[in-house]
Parts: sequence; structure tokens; C-alpha cells
Amino acid sequence: DQQVKQNSPSLSVQEGRISILNCDYTNSMFDYFLWYKKYPAEGPTFLISISSIKDKNEDGRFTVFLNKSAKHLSLHIVPSQPGDSAVYFCAAVLGGGADGLTFGKGTHLIIQP
Amino acid sequence: DGGITQSPKYLFRKEGQNVTLSCEQNLNHDAMYWYRQDPGQGLRLIYYSQIVNDFQKGDIAEGYSVSREKKESFPLTVTSAQKNPTAFYLCASSILDGNQPQHFGDGTRLSIL
Repeated sequence: DQQVKQNSPSLSVQEGRISILNCDYTNSMFDYFLWYKKYPAEGPTFLISISSIKDKNEDGRFTVFLNKSAKHLSLHIVPSQPGDSAVYFCAAVLGGGADGLTFGKGTHLIIQP
Repeated sequence: DGGITQSPKYLFRKEGQNVTLSCEQNLNHDAMYWYRQDPGQGLRLIYYSQIVNDFQKGDIAEGYSVSREKKESFPLTVTSAQKNPTAFYLCASSILDGNQPQHFGDGTRLSIL
């Protein structure tokens, strides 16, 4: 029973446009959410996070939005660049995160020239 | 350079053999984690440790064992009891101070001969 869901296995976006990656969760006790970027045969790299007490967090080209009532978060990348092509994982945390992360299955983002 | 080192990058195991994957960190992080990734899947938590000489089972601990004799090291043993050991194994670490992201190594790919 998946608690964190990324329903789009892949997403294709033109270079320079906005990429929007979505994530839904079922456990209302999650209190911290993270996005990771992963290239093949490498470990995930932390991108951006958001606490459940906020609804938006921004870092350069990356913005994460959290809608707690809908149990939904999204990652916006603008403008999209070729180096953004990777698999993006949404992850959620209970109570500070010491017990580990719960991951979605990932979305493969492809930036087309 | 601070970071997490996993070795080897690729590992092969014969049926019925135990094999140990290494994970070392020089980030002075208290917590360490092991995850498994299968094709098209998210990362799933195997074991985690918040302090030396203590560790807890994650969601898929069966067939695995760990030790935490030093703060810097958290080796994972894949035993012969693990029925489907072929996967990409990722080690992570984090500090235990509120919501903090986990940082990952580059992984070990284990294959059965």
C-alpha cells in the first residue's frame, strides 16, 4: 500500500518551459517532504524540501508547493534546462525523519531541445 | 571532501553466498540508512541506525543484516535468505536535528551469478 504516489512515470517538456512534477500522499501525519533528483547508476541528490507548516518553498529555479487539504505537492522547475533530465523522487517523513524516508516511484523528466 | 562512500560499485554473488556492502561517511552524521531500489520502483528502507551499536528494521529487512560498530560505518550483509537480492543498494546519512535531508552515496549494484 503506497503512501507516496507519483502517478506519472514520465514527463516530456520543451527546454525553457516549465516542468511540473506531481506527488500525492495518503498519510496525513507526514510533516516534511523532499524532492530528490537521480541520474542512472548514481545516488539521489537532494533538491528542495518543505515543512508541513508551509505551503511554498523556493530555491532558484525550483519551487515546491504543498496543498495539505488535498495531500498533494508539486515541484516546479522554470525554466527547464537539458541538465534537468533525470528521475525525480518525492519523499515524505514522519516525526523528524529519523526513521527513514518514504519514497514515491519516481517520474522520469525528459527535457527536449 | 565530505561525503558518503559505497563500495564496491558493482558486486556479483553466487547463489547461497552472503555478501557485505560497505558504507562509510565522513559527514559526522548520527543516522545512517540502507535502501534498495528495483527497476521502476522507488527506494525502500531496509535498515537504519540512529546511534552506534543500535539499529532498527525498515520495511523490507528480511534476508538482510547490519552492524553499527563505528559512527562512520554501516555495512549491510545480504544473506542467502534474501530470495531476490539483485537490486541497486543505496546508503544514506543525516543529522538528527529536526527535519534534515538525507544525503546518499552512489550505490552498489548487486547481481546474482
